[in-house]
Amino acid sequence: DAKTTQPPSMDCAEGRAANLPCNHSTISGNEYVYWYRQIHSQGPQYIIHGLKNNETNEMASLIITEDRKSSTLILPHATLRDTAVYYCISSPELTFGTGTRLQVTL
Amino acid sequence: NAGVTQTPKFQVLKTGQSMTLQCAQDMNHNSMYWYRQDPGMGLRLIYYSASEGTTDKGEVPNGYNVSRLNKREFSLRLESAAPSQTSVYFCASIQGGVANYGYTFGSGTRLTVV
Repeated sequence: DAKTTQPPSMDCAEGRAANLPCNHSTISGNEYVYWYRQIHSQGPQYIIHGLKNNETNEMASLIITEDRKSSTLILPHATLRDTAVYYCISSPELTFGTGTRLQVTL
Repeated sequence: NAGVTQTPKFQVLKTGQSMTLQCAQDMNHNSMYWYRQDPGMGLRLIYYSASEGTTDKGEVPNGYNVSRLNKREFSLRLESAAPSQTSVYFCASIQGGVANYGYTFGSGTRLTVV
């Protein structure tokens, strides 16, 4: 499995865009990048995934670099409810690291 | 609501006791997984079942056994609980295949072993 690296924590002001980076330099050509988040002690929640192209859904956007060695999850207008731990993982989806703890503040 | 259901939600065991954590999904997913999450840590894979009738060890299988009872159900058993197994246990399922839409997780079982 490709290993992912994320910063341990980030802050973001409410209403601003939150940009969460992830490095996955060892990802292979057929491995997808997935993002999940975990609020408090709930089960992780799927956000978005992508292979090569940028993706957007109702929750977020995913920007993947052309060389596929890194990606950025974008929450366009962060709210207090987006405070959570965000995990970036690559398929096959077996390994979660410690993620990025995003704190959204007033 | 469709999803992954875990029972029980909370459990306290004494050291040496046994118990089975239950997990069921109603999404017709092929693959099911058991993770544990210790305080302040990420999720670690215990066991998984890629399809009905198969099970495989994950990163931290020692002290656990699993049964894929049918396509819907995947149980995790602690034969002789130890304090080191105090954790939150999450079950997850996924359809499988390359272009899937990610895991669906249950709400977790909070286990304390005293």
